[in-house]
Amino acid sequence: DAKTTQPTSMDCAEGRAANLPCNHSTISGNEYVYWYRQIHSQGPQYIIHGLKNNETNEMASLIITEDRKSSTLILPHATLRDTAVYYCIVRSGAGSYQLTFGKGTKLSVIP
Amino acid sequence: DTGVSQDPRHKITKRGQNVTFRCDPISEHNRLYWYRQTLGQGPEFLTYFQNEAQLEKSRLLSDRFSAERPKGSFSTLEIQRTEQGDSAMYLCASSRLGEKLFFGSGTQLSVL
Repeated sequence: DAKTTQPTSMDCAEGRAANLPCNHSTISGNEYVYWYRQIHSQGPQYIIHGLKNNETNEMASLIITEDRKSSTLILPHATLRDTAVYYCIVRSGAGSYQLTFGKGTKLSVIP
Repeated sequence: DTGVSQDPRHKITKRGQNVTFRCDPISEHNRLYWYRQTLGQGPEFLTYFQNEAQLEKSRLLSDRFSAERPKGSFSTLEIQRTEQGDSAMYLCASSRLGEKLFFGSGTQLSVL
């Protein structure tokens, strides 16, 4: 699976949009971009995933660039409960069982 | 669904002792995974099962580690002769074939 690069940490004001970037320049055509987050003392939680098109669900939006070499996770109205480590993962669409986590981005939502 | 359940949440043991953790996956999920997470790092894959078959083991899984999933339901992860380096959070996850993983809250192991 392709390697991803994320900033170590970011701050966001409560109520504002949080935009978390991820670079995956070696992504191949059948690899999906997945986002998980991990709140302190809990297991990772699935947020969203996409292949080519932008995706939106009740938690977030995922914007993937046209060349698919980078993506941005958007939390539209960040709350204090969104403070967590956010992991961007590239995963083969062929039912790959492994998720290769990096160190992720520590997002701190500030009151 | 009731989520992935792990037991115990915390385990403190002395070096050299054996420990066993249990994971109960979401009932209709045929895949079950074990990950390990040390402080400041992301989770690392250890092994996974499809139904009762253990299909892959990471090189991180030394011969002191063994995992089972009898009857394709719950799973156990046993660590024999624990070492201080085994101190970590042990995470279990489950999924349907090819779908997103649901993680439990983990078992925090401290080896003294």
